[in-house]
Amino acid sequence: KAGVTQTPRYLIKTRGQQVTLSCSPISGHRSVSWYQQTPGQGLQFLFEYFSETQRNKGNFPGRFSGRQFSNSRSEMNVSTLELGDSALYLCASSPGNGELFFGEGSRLTVL
Amino acid sequence: QQQVKQSPQSLIVQKGGISIINCAYENTAFDYFPWYQQFPGKGPALLIAIRPDVSEKKEGRFTISFNKSAKQFSLHIMDSQPGDSATYFCAASRYSNDYKLSFGAGTTVTVRA
Repeated sequence: KAGVTQTPRYLIKTRGQQVTLSCSPISGHRSVSWYQQTPGQGLQFLFEYFSETQRNKGNFPGRFSGRQFSNSRSEMNVSTLELGDSALYLCASSPGNGELFFGEGSRLTVL
Repeated sequence: QQQVKQSPQSLIVQKGGISIINCAYENTAFDYFPWYQQFPGKGPALLIAIRPDVSEKKEGRFTISFNKSAKQFSLHIMDSQPGDSATYFCAASRYSNDYKLSFGAGTTVTVRA
């Protein structure tokens, strides 16, 4: 079974731009969560989607948004990028038993 | 604010030794405590998890000890192997399918052969 696939794996943007990251969950998993990982703040929860509905949201500004499609694939968007948005963005899917299966992440660098 | 405090930040252990990582939490609503292992360039992977109604859970060489009254839990890696060298994160959430996990800061474990 294929794992969680995240694209792109690496990207470089400049301040003020926006970015869209994509996540394909494991087949059959309907829950998709997003986390931000940085050396300073560690792993922080962004949001979680289930059946195209956002069920939970972390403490991030409104510049961070996401959505989930009917095939469970998910995207997250960050608008008006700031230097502090540089991070590894991790997507995780779950079959509903609490276990998170993480992808390898999208590493965003903001210059 | 860090809802789960993890220590130490890093540790070095000889092959065959025991690695111990400690975590503490304040939120008594937390009801699910997983540990994740992360290798460089990879996403975290679930290692083992525990609920507060159990004081200890063992899976192979990995054991979680849980002290509800002290609001502390720890991971013991027995007979540590070089392949165990990774970063370990403790986490907590309100229930097992609440995916809003609060993670500890992580412990980098290095196992020397």
